[in-house]
Amino acid sequence: QSALTQPPSASGSPGQSVTISCTGTGSDVGGYSYVSWYQQHPGKAPKLIIYEVRKRPSGVPDRFSGSKSGNTASLTVSGLQAEDEADYYCSSYAGSNTFVVFGGGTKLTVL
Amino acid sequence: QVQLQESGPGLVKPSQTLSLTCTVSGGSISSGSYYWSWIRQPAGKGLEWIGRISTSGSTNYNSSLKSRVTISVDTSTNQFSLNLSSVTATDTAVYYCARWPTGTGSFDYWGQGTLVTVSS
Repeated sequence: QSALTQPPSASGSPGQSVTISCTGTGSDVGGYSYVSWYQQHPGKAPKLIIYEVRKRPSGVPDRFSGSKSGNTASLTVSGLQAEDEADYYCSSYAGSNTFVVFGGGTKLTVL
Repeated sequence: QVQLQESGPGLVKPSQTLSLTCTVSGGSISSGSYYWSWIRQPAGKGLEWIGRISTSGSTNYNSSLKSRVTISVDTSTNQFSLNLSSVTATDTAVYYCARWPTGTGSFDYWGQGTLVTVSS
């Protein structure tokens, strides 16, 4: 069982927006501004798309945005495109004993 | 552009030790402020952080694996390694190496992953 809770699936039509949640506790998501999101296509390695809650690495489209409220972080994908269909994982720094925890992943389907 | 590449046996027998190496190219493993991590993913399941090492050799491990894990670094060859002892079928997974910039809590570069199967 993963430390962070994500919905197993999400979906949307091309052009629409979808938001994926990631719920933790005050010891991880709520306690630090170190939430990250990763996109993983089948058979590929995860790719960092959001770090420090809302920052995007160079080259990541601004259609991807992140936010956090309390113990829940969110990833929003706007203007859905076919290539956005993938698994998405959140992670959070969790202090100097646990270090990092992941969510169980959300499969995003573009209808 | 930094690149990471995992290497090692794809099949390990139960009770033996799983050994993998990650080779870093496109930059020195000693430059900058980074931790070097191992992460694994059983088929169809989520990601699990295994542990990390700094270039000074300081290590941190997932508490659930700590008794079986050793991560080491060889700056002369730009490599870091994972040893996981007393493996069972539940250790079967794709193993990734990744770079963790200090102060970010994220993994910005990943290897392509290598499948390790534990079976007799």
